[in-house]
Amino acid sequence: EPEVTQTPSHQVTQMGQEVILRCVPISNHLYFYWYRQILGQKVEFLVSFYNNEISEKSEIFDDQFSVERPDGSNFTLKIRSTKLEDSAMYFCASRTGSGNTIYFGEGSWLTVV
Amino acid sequence: QKEVEQNSGPLSVPEGAIASLNCTYSDRGSQSFFWYRQYSGKSPELIMFIYSNGDKEDGRFTAQLNKASQYVSLLIRDSQPSDSATYLCAVNYNQGGKLIFGQGTELSVKP
Repeated sequence: EPEVTQTPSHQVTQMGQEVILRCVPISNHLYFYWYRQILGQKVEFLVSFYNNEISEKSEIFDDQFSVERPDGSNFTLKIRSTKLEDSAMYFCASRTGSGNTIYFGEGSWLTVV
Repeated sequence: QKEVEQNSGPLSVPEGAIASLNCTYSDRGSQSFFWYRQYSGKSPELIMFIYSNGDKEDGRFTAQLNKASQYVSLLIRDSQPSDSATYLCAVNYNQGGKLIFGQGTELSVKP
């Protein structure tokens, strides 16, 4: 069964460093998402991406964050100048052009120290 | 602010019983409703979705939607210890849009 894959599964970074989280969405999907879940809290929407541009973003997704689909398969989330409060599980997700169901990757656990 | 509310639990049921999980949402314009299961440290896994008022059954799971009351529920029949997880309710407000999640209800099924 096709799945969303994410790398790395876990990354530890020092405060102030830049981090890139990578995702390979399901191949025939057209909408791509990043969500985050701080330990013990809700899954929160960060950004959605369609047709090579951001279609919607949350208040969390400020200038510190950016997304890119550099090569038609990978979908990346870049976090600049990381802060302690950026420590969370980051989930990539995708869906087809017609369906409403969003499928999640296994997540990348980011720890900022 | 669009909100999705769930009791955080934990909800504890004996093996073989029916577990009932509830969710309310704030925006009457909501279109699609999803139940995900999340094991500790893992990603959300889709159980089922519902769009129309009434019941939708899939194996041991039944989703129920009441748009007038802005209420959606998930029933798990013949609960198994492997069903022990956090159940996330999620709402989609427009075609193709983001999901808004509730905080999840922790379910514990005791052998």
